[in-house]
Amino acid sequence: QSALTQPPSASGTPGQRVTISCSGSSSNIGSNTVNWYQQFPGTAPKLLIYSNDQRPSGVPDRFSGSKSGTSASLAISGLQSEDAADYYCAAWDDNLNGVVFGGGTKLTVL
Amino acid sequence: QVQLVESGGGVVQPGRSLRLSCAASGFTFSSSGMHWVRQAPGKGLEWLAVIWYDGSNKYYADSVKGRFTISRDNSKNTVYLQMSSLRAEDTAVYYCAKGAPLGMSGYFDYWGQGTLVTVSS
Repeated sequence: QSALTQPPSASGTPGQRVTISCSGSSSNIGSNTVNWYQQFPGTAPKLLIYSNDQRPSGVPDRFSGSKSGTSASLAISGLQSEDAADYYCAAWDDNLNGVVFGGGTKLTVL
Repeated sequence: QVQLVESGGGVVQPGRSLRLSCAASGFTFSSSGMHWVRQAPGKGLEWLAVIWYDGSNKYYADSVKGRFTISRDNSKNTVYLQMSSLRAEDTAVYYCAKGAPLGMSGYFDYWGQGTLVTVSS
């Protein structure tokens, strides 16, 4: 059981907007920033969003992040077939003194 | 460019030990916190350990505390993960990842390609 809760799957059609939620607690999301990772099969994860809503250089602005209280969301607008991947949220947990990940969300582009 | 290259994975018997290495280049290694994260086959990401930029502090996941030890050699730009008392459930791809200097965040801006550890008799 992951400390951060994500839906196991999400889907959308090309051009649609999809959101993936990440629910935590006061000791992780409630008091620390949230980061999002994209992972394709057989490859290492890639940083997608950091500090709740910041995009690293090279990440398309179709990807956006937000945080409110003990929850965070990743939004993908103008969905493209190449966005099909696994997405993970992560945050530091002050009680565990460690990083916690969500269980991951598999995004399917129909 | 930033590169993280893990090595040391392989097949090991239950109860034995293994040491993973992660050689870093392309950034100021001695200013970066470094993490180990693993992914069991078909499963999600699991954070294991972090070491501060200067090695002064280390934190571990409960699942590996007392069995795994993270260390670094800033003169060699390398971070290590010493794994002992290995169990079948430690079978996974192990990634090293670069983080913030104090490492106390879920921020990993670069990842290695991973090294597979299989614990099996």
